[in-house]
Amino acid sequence: EVQLVESGGGLVQPGGSLRLSCAASAFTFSGYWMSWVRQAPGKGLEWVANINQDGSEKYYVDSVKGRFTISRDNAKNSLYLQMNSLRAEDTAVYYCARGRNSGYYYDFYFDYWGQGTLVTVSS
Amino acid sequence: QSVLTQPPSVSGAPGQRVTISCTGSSSNIGAGYDVHWYQQLPGTAPKFFIYGNSNRPSGVPDRFSGSKSGTSASLAITGLQADDEADYYCQSYDSSLSGWVFGGGTKLTVL
Repeated sequence: EVQLVESGGGLVQPGGSLRLSCAASAFTFSGYWMSWVRQAPGKGLEWVANINQDGSEKYYVDSVKGRFTISRDNAKNSLYLQMNSLRAEDTAVYYCARGRNSGYYYDFYFDYWGQGTLVTVSS
Repeated sequence: QSVLTQPPSVSGAPGQRVTISCTGSSSNIGAGYDVHWYQQLPGTAPKFFIYGNSNRPSGVPDRFSGSKSGTSASLAITGLQADDEADYYCQSYDSSLSGWVFGGGTKLTVL
């Protein structure tokens, strides 16, 4: 069964950095787009970033551009999110998700999700 | 404020039919991008429920159906059951934002 396990969350001060990891198993990791989606406490879902199969294409929500970097290591079946210059509004559960296409290039959805890791930005 | 608008809550009695709307614009649903739906049970990760507007992955009961028309999409649930109680989110792509977007979510309560 497809498994995605996030780690690396925790408490960090505003302006600090954190690196999230996602370990994938039971599927050919290098064959899929991967994504990060977050959910602030008591709020809805927000897409954060996507990366294509070989890491050559990356997309970010405007609010994290220039601060967050998505990357992957296909040899280790792992996805990462480097988060710098963290702000209080980045506080959320961060989910790793596998991406699929339903049709055209941008018809993209998330078919498997991890359990999430909580990032709290507070002094 | 999401570019995809969902009602904050809907409710229905067991056995009834409910629909959850997802209203977008000409830069997302109206532009022809597919709509996908997710179910999030309390305290758990989201689970994808409908993809490509109306397709159900294996394991999702046929009581759930999706549709899309113009700048809106809908998730219909028939034969409502207690364990359908969850938050439901729609998702699509927005060309103005150049990114993927979710609706604000709808809490389904089974009375």
